[in-house]
Amino acid sequence: EIVLTQSPGTLSLSPGERATLSCRASQSFSSSYLAWYQQKPGQAPRLLIYGASSRASGIPDRFSGSGSGTDFTLTISRLEPEDFAVYYCQQYGSSPRLYTFGQGTKLEIK
Amino acid sequence: EVQLVESGGGLVKPGGSLRLSCAASGFTFTNAWMNWVRQAPGKGLEWVGRIISKTDGGTTDYAAPVKGRFTVSRDDSTNTLYLQMNSLKTEDTAVYYCTTDRPAWGYAGDYWGQGTLVTVSS
Repeated sequence: EIVLTQSPGTLSLSPGERATLSCRASQSFSSSYLAWYQQKPGQAPRLLIYGASSRASGIPDRFSGSGSGTDFTLTISRLEPEDFAVYYCQQYGSSPRLYTFGQGTKLEIK
Repeated sequence: EVQLVESGGGLVKPGGSLRLSCAASGFTFTNAWMNWVRQAPGKGLEWVGRIISKTDGGTTDYAAPVKGRFTVSRDDSTNTLYLQMNSLKTEDTAVYYCTTDRPAWGYAGDYWGQGTLVTVSS
């Protein structure tokens, strides 16, 4: 079973800065099966990126994803106040554990 | 507009049962692959189970912690997804979300409900 490790656990930045979030897998898999989600307090997660680099519908272009193999990155080019949230990466694998999530990165205002 | 509305959460004693529902609208539910994902208080996301469309076989898959205790089912006539939870444990306490599954997007969960809270406590 693949384990996803996100880093850092907490990232403190200011609006306007660039954020780089990492998701590292314990073994290589196809980038087609890597997604990123944003979750704000009290809300459901929202899909940002699928297939490692494709933005979901309605997601601003300041969000971008990249990576392959075992190393994946979510970049937010210029942070807006509404971007401060928890971010999760997710991998689609094989039975019995079809979906694996990373533990999350909290992006907080510095 | 796609809507997923969960219901049925509440307080239940260890060993008890509960059935969650997810009412879907705004898309062709019959063709949809659907998941349940949970989140324990203050913790991360954990996949619970999936059911694929009847046209694709209608099969189910479960995470190891819930296999044999939880059952995912669907009623395409009412556009409703269910999660039957039996032999509940305190560690099942969580917000439970239903989500759509987009195979063409690498099985990413493109729509999520608002969640329903299940508390297992004596």
